[in-house]
Amino acid sequence: DAGVIQSPRHEVTEMGQEVTLRCKPISGHDYLFWYRQTMMRGLELLIYFNNNVPIDDSGMPEDRFSAKMPNASFSTLKIQPSEPRDSAVYFCASEEGGRGPLRSGYTFGSGTRLTVV
Amino acid sequence: DAKTTQPPSMDCAEGRAANLPCNHSTISGNEYVYWYRQIHSQGPQYIIHGLKNNETNEMASLIITEDRKSSTLILPHATLRDTAVYYCIVRVAGGSQGNLIFGKGTKLSVKP
Repeated sequence: DAGVIQSPRHEVTEMGQEVTLRCKPISGHDYLFWYRQTMMRGLELLIYFNNNVPIDDSGMPEDRFSAKMPNASFSTLKIQPSEPRDSAVYFCASEEGGRGPLRSGYTFGSGTRLTVV
Repeated sequence: DAKTTQPPSMDCAEGRAANLPCNHSTISGNEYVYWYRQIHSQGPQYIIHGLKNNETNEMASLIITEDRKSSTLILPHATLRDTAVYYCIVRVAGGSQGNLIFGKGTKLSVKP
């Protein structure tokens, strides 16, 4: 398995522009998570999906952020309009469903480093 | 807020065992202890998890105290490639309520 695939790896954009980050989870994983990492705030959970349905978006910082999962193999995180304070590394992770000790945890992608100038 | 407390940094000599402590005094009966690490510029990587028994895999060993209020991750023979930030997390293993909430972790530096 190729793991969780994120694109692009790096994105530089101007303030006010729309940014779309993409994620392909591991096949068969029921859960998908979006995290943001900055030096100041560390790793923050933004939103997560279960079976393509958004379950908790309480971590999404503002209405400028939106996330979708149109099918089991693809998710997007969109920022519109982008601002310099959105500069961060954005990670996508997926996890197999199920209960109990067999649930071994998330597999993270390599992240997208976003710079808004 | 993260439910665990870890030292901000530790050093370890290459080839020696690295013992990373974690306090989780408010852990609930149905919460597991998970360990992840993040090597610079990469996504976090799962290491190991456990409930109350000690666990071992190809990467590390996890020792959980009998009262479950603390644990220790052991890297038996640390290498330079083990230099990373190590996160200790408590979560419910089943269902959708056990999301990973990351604290600040311990920055482990393995030195030659």
